[in-house]
Amino acid sequence: AQKITQTQPGMFVQEKEAVTLDCTYDTSDPSYGLFWYKQPSSGEMIFLIYQGSYDQQNATEGRYSLNFQKARKSANLVISASQLGDSAMYFCAIGRNFGNEKLTFGTGTRLTIIP
Amino acid sequence: DADVTQTPRNRITKTGKRIMLECSQTKGHDRMYWYRQDPGLGLRLIYYSFDVKDINKGEISDGYSVSRQAQAKFSLSLESAIPNQTALYFCATRGDYGYTFGSGTRLTVV
Repeated sequence: AQKITQTQPGMFVQEKEAVTLDCTYDTSDPSYGLFWYKQPSSGEMIFLIYQGSYDQQNATEGRYSLNFQKARKSANLVISASQLGDSAMYFCAIGRNFGNEKLTFGTGTRLTIIP
Repeated sequence: DADVTQTPRNRITKTGKRIMLECSQTKGHDRMYWYRQDPGLGLRLIYYSFDVKDINKGEISDGYSVSRQAQAKFSLSLESAIPNQTALYFCATRGDYGYTFGSGTRLTVV
């Protein structure tokens, strides 16, 4: 079984500051992927970034980076230079890379950017 | 057009009614999924399908059924809707480079 834990129900961050959203995971699969999604108030799920368990380098996508610490089973999302449009729910998810590939989601973190 | 289209976007239905939520995709992906989102609980998997002949239950399938009419279409049915099925429902597909979600269907059962 796979599990995602997001311990920050809500966060308030000043605009232009960097923010780290925490995610820890548990899995017995040797090969897996970690995903971060953004959900604005309109409700859609927007893919942000992906990290494979065998990737040697941390993933980056524009202002988003993933701080992947495999031994600690953590996959924190870092948003640099936050913007008002970053205010949203953020979900971490884990899935197997092969076979049964369904995603398991955490409960999310609500991020609010303060002007 | 969106890669994954869900209809309807919003629906209010009465307890005991049968309702179908539809999902179609233009990605050409074999793998399709239905998730449910409740406040504070994240997304939970209802059903998934790896091709038209391969349908599998997820963690919360009770009270739901699905139909994979074609590679591109995956429908979710509530045979007899109840108020605790009020939620936001997402359809998703998976390809080689990750998952694509539809915009969601907000269902209210009164």
